Amino acid sequence: DIQMTQSPSTLSASVGDRVTITCRASQRISSWLAWYQQKPGKAPKVLIYKASSLESGVPSRFSGSGSGTEFTLTISSLEPDDFATYYCQQYNSDSLTFGGGTKVEIK
Amino acid sequence: EVQVLESGGGLVQPGGSLRLSCAASGFTFSNYAMSWVRQAPGKGLEWVSTISNSGDSKYYADSVRGRFTVSRDNSKDTLYLQMNSLRAEDTALYYCAKLKGATPTSSDSWGQGTLVTVSS
Repeated sequence: DIQMTQSPSTLSASVGDRVTITCRASQRISSWLAWYQQKPGKAPKVLIYKASSLESGVPSRFSGSGSGTEFTLTISSLEPDDFATYYCQQYNSDSLTFGGGTKVEIK
Repeated sequence: EVQVLESGGGLVQPGGSLRLSCAASGFTFSNYAMSWVRQAPGKGLEWVSTISNSGDSKYYADSVRGRFTVSRDNSKDTLYLQMNSLRAEDTALYYCAKLKGATPTSSDSWGQGTLVTVSS
């Protein structure tokens, strides 16, 4: 199975900061990667699919990049609503594995 | 509006069985693959199973293969997860998710989840 490793596991940042989260795949997955945001007590919400395509309705401060084995999610200017946990998920194989998550906390 | 609504969770003893349901509305259910994803208390997301739009292809995580069975009834717009031989480590909030296509791909809509607790 393909393993997905996210870093960091926790990130402390301030409103207005530029934030970058990394996701690494244990084997090449082309661009078959999605990013999700989850807030406490809520279901996950898709932000990015196919590594860099922005889901409809998602603010443009979110962007994704990468291909192969290394991917990044960037928030260009952190807003109060962005404090949450973020997950990557690969869908190159039939096992749709998630990364361990990155919690973005208020500094 | 796309909606998926899970039901069927509850408290079950180790070794027991439970069937989860996910009622879909607001989209042509038979055109889309569906997944089950779970989240243990305080933990991350874990993919459980995916079924293609027709139901012909089914995929499972190693942790549930042989114990869980995914199915769908396209005439009823409903997804199911039959869970047998349940273990304490299956305790989690189980989400139903609509995928973006007919085969395994990213998810674009999720339910609010149904809680499964395995305990004696």
